[in-house]
This record gives sequence, structure tokens and C-alpha cells, in this order.
Amino acid sequence: GENVEQHPSTLSVQEGDSAVIKCTYSDSASNYFPWYKQELGKRPQLIIDIRSNVGEKKDQRIAVTLNKTAKHFSLHITETQPEDSAVYFCAAYMDSNYQLIWGAGTKLIIKP
Amino acid sequence: NAGVTQTPKFRVLKTGQSMTLLCAQDMNHEYMYWYRQDPGMGLRLIHYSVGEGTTAKGEVPDGYNVSRLKKQNFLLGLESAAPSQTSVYFCASSDRGTIYGYTFGSGTRLTVV
Repeated sequence: GENVEQHPSTLSVQEGDSAVIKCTYSDSASNYFPWYKQELGKRPQLIIDIRSNVGEKKDQRIAVTLNKTAKHFSLHITETQPEDSAVYFCAAYMDSNYQLIWGAGTKLIIKP
Repeated sequence: NAGVTQTPKFRVLKTGQSMTLLCAQDMNHEYMYWYRQDPGMGLRLIHYSVGEGTTAKGEVPDGYNVSRLKKQNFLLGLESAAPSQTSVYFCASSDRGTIYGYTFGSGTRLTVV
């Protein structure tokens, strides 16, 4: 079945620096790749997503890139701020089973 | 427009007791999902539904049952609670036409003692 691997599990960066989180997926039929942010004690919230016919998408300080050939996608956060501290989850979706397959999460720590 | 509402928000059960968690969405979404999230861990799918009257097993279905009698509601039942079911439970829904993005409820924190 589909598997999504996410790295690193913890990422600590200085405020103002960039952060990159990487995910790989196993099933080439996956066609949608969202990223969710979960703050402590709160629900996961969608922050950006990309579909399989697009290579890159940007929204202010956040961008996602997709390499379908290599089957990996990445989240890029520039000019990190304290409020970016959270756990970030990647996921991959297949129409055939109606489910998102989730990565294990990355705890992002922004150091002041 | 409330989105996805979960009740209750907190609950403490004794081992062997039963309870039902309710998820209600007002977005007319076809698909609904129940996840559990243990401390410091990711999301694990318990059961899901692709439409009214349908249910299917996810990754960790044992010890849980579900029902989707009405399109807007998805119920998760624990027949005989065990301490291993202590977790935060999240419900999510998504629209059939744009089936990709999930909207999550605020979660139910369940403790089984």
C-alpha cells in the first residue's frame, strides 16, 4: 500500500532562517499532496497543497515543490517566525481509496 | 457555518464503559473520517465513510464501531473502553467534488482509567 516518509522528525532553526521539510511517497498514482500545521493542543490545519500536475506552489512565506519522477515533495518556509513553531504533517492522496496517507510529522522549533 | 463539530470535547471513562463520540458537519461533505492521535504521534485512521449509510475500516479499527445514518453525522462508538484507547480523537470531512482538502474538528480528548 501507499507509504509516506517524512524527514526530519525534529527541525530547529534560528528565527529568520529558512526551514525545509521533505516527504517521499511510494505510490505513483498519488495525485494530491497537502501540508498541515498542528499547533500544540489544536487541530491540524491545511496550510498549502499541490496537485500532481504542478511542480511548485507558493503562498507568501510558504512554498511546496513536487518532483513526481523522484516521488518526493517538500515544504519550504522562509523568514521563519516564532509562530511557525508547530508540528507539520505531509500527506499523499489517492482517488482509489479515498484516503490521505500521512507522514509521521516534523516538530519545527524556531529559536529566538 | 460551524464546519466540523465534535462532541464531547473531553471525557473520562472507566475501563469497560461505553461511549459514543459525535461528529457533525454542515458543509454537505460526502466523506468523513475518524482519526486518533496519541501524544507526540501522527494521525492514525480508525474508520471512514464515503457517503450516507457507508463505512469502512481504516488502519486501527479494532475496539471501535461507526455509523453514518445521516450524511452530516458520523458517530464513533467504543463498546468496552480500554486504557489503550486513551487518545485525542479527530473527525474530518471532505467534499466529493474537491475531495482533497480535509476539514478537521477540534478534537475529543478521551482518558480511560
